[in-house]
This record gives sequence, C-alpha cells and structure tokens, in this order.
Amino acid sequence: DGGITQSPKYLFRKEGQNVTLSCEQNLNHDAMYWYRQDPGQGLRLIYYSQIVNDFQKGDIAEGYSVSREKKESFPLTVTSAQKNPTAFYLCATKWLNNEQFFGPGTRLTVL
Amino acid sequence: AQKVTQAQTEISVVEKEDVTLDCVYETRDTTYYLFWYKQPPSGELVFLIRRNSFDEQNEISGRYSWNFQKSTSSFNFTITASQVVDSAVYFCALSAPQWAAGNKLTFGGGTRVLVKP
Repeated sequence: DGGITQSPKYLFRKEGQNVTLSCEQNLNHDAMYWYRQDPGQGLRLIYYSQIVNDFQKGDIAEGYSVSREKKESFPLTVTSAQKNPTAFYLCATKWLNNEQFFGPGTRLTVL
Repeated sequence: AQKVTQAQTEISVVEKEDVTLDCVYETRDTTYYLFWYKQPPSGELVFLIRRNSFDEQNEISGRYSWNFQKSTSSFNFTITASQVVDSAVYFCALSAPQWAAGNKLTFGGGTRVLVKP
C-alpha cells in the first residue's frame, strides 16, 4: 500500500535522552515535513526537506535534528536540548499540487 | 508573515444540525493555497479540500461545503446535517505558492466539533 508510516506509535523517553522518530514514505514525493502538535493546539513546523541531502529549519527547530539521506526517509531526532518534548509528532510529504499528506503520528512522552 | 485564525475552539451540536467553522487568514502573497484538514481521535490528519487564491467559487462535496471570500480573507467550512462520525478537530491551513521556498503550511489552532446523538 502507498503511504506514510511513522514509528513507533508511542514513545517514552527519560529526561536527558535522545530519541529518534522514524518517517518512511513510498509515495515518491520529494518534500517531507515534521510538525509538532501540543494538546489543544495547531501544528507547528519543525524541519522540512525539499530534496535528498538538503533540509531547512522550520519555526521551532531548536532541540531537534533531522537527516535526509534517502528520498523515502526523513527521521527526526529529539535531543536532550529540547526542554519540553512531550507532544504529538506528525510527518508529512508533499507532491507538486501543494497538498500535504500526513502520517499517523508518534506520541512522545517524557517521563 | 502568514497567519490563520480559527476563533471557535469548540462547537457542540446535536446530530442533523448544521455547523459552520470559521477561518480567517492573513498573507502578503497574491497567490496562495487554503486547506481544511480533519483530525479524528486517532490523530492522523485527513485532507478535505485545497483551494487556490484564484478560484473563489464555492465548493460542495456531499455534506461538506466551503465558502471562500477573498474580500474578507475567510474560508469557512460548513457541515450539513451533521453526524456523530463528524466529531473531530478541524484545521484550516494556509500555504505560500508551490514555487516558494519550503512551501510550508501555516495552521490555525483548530476547532473541535462534538456531534451528540
């Protein structure tokens, strides 16, 4: 099936640990995005990548890092520098018509 | 800078009532795109509609309809004869032209719709 997969669905992290959230797509889309959603809030852009080996900071990039070594994959690392990482993380891809497709999300909780 | 405002944080209706969700946006771009997404309790965002700034025709898709008014910078969404399955959070979003760097989506804060049986 074509689509976007995110893993894990739920993730628990101890304070001071780095964790990596996976995002994989088989839609052959060039652009990929990471958003963060806090309870009762809209989505905010963390990082985006328009092509392989290139990525740009979004509005709230501090404490996060990404890589884009393959077209299909855009993993997000939440580092210990992110002071309040508990949130719902959504990965998205975009085709030429501007429509963004979203994955099922990863819910990260810091213990 | 782009901004999207959804003034209604939560709307509660009884099944079969109509419900209208407001969306007001700000942008300096003359070309832009507007979107509505639905987020059910599972969390995944479901695309509902995309509208470009050149097309001010209203659109209807089943029980859903959208009213785009460029003069008031609004892109409102109406659910006719609501059903319990319509209960979700609905997000309005704005995007720069597809040729713009990043072409990110700017989201409103969302409106939670609760449809009671």
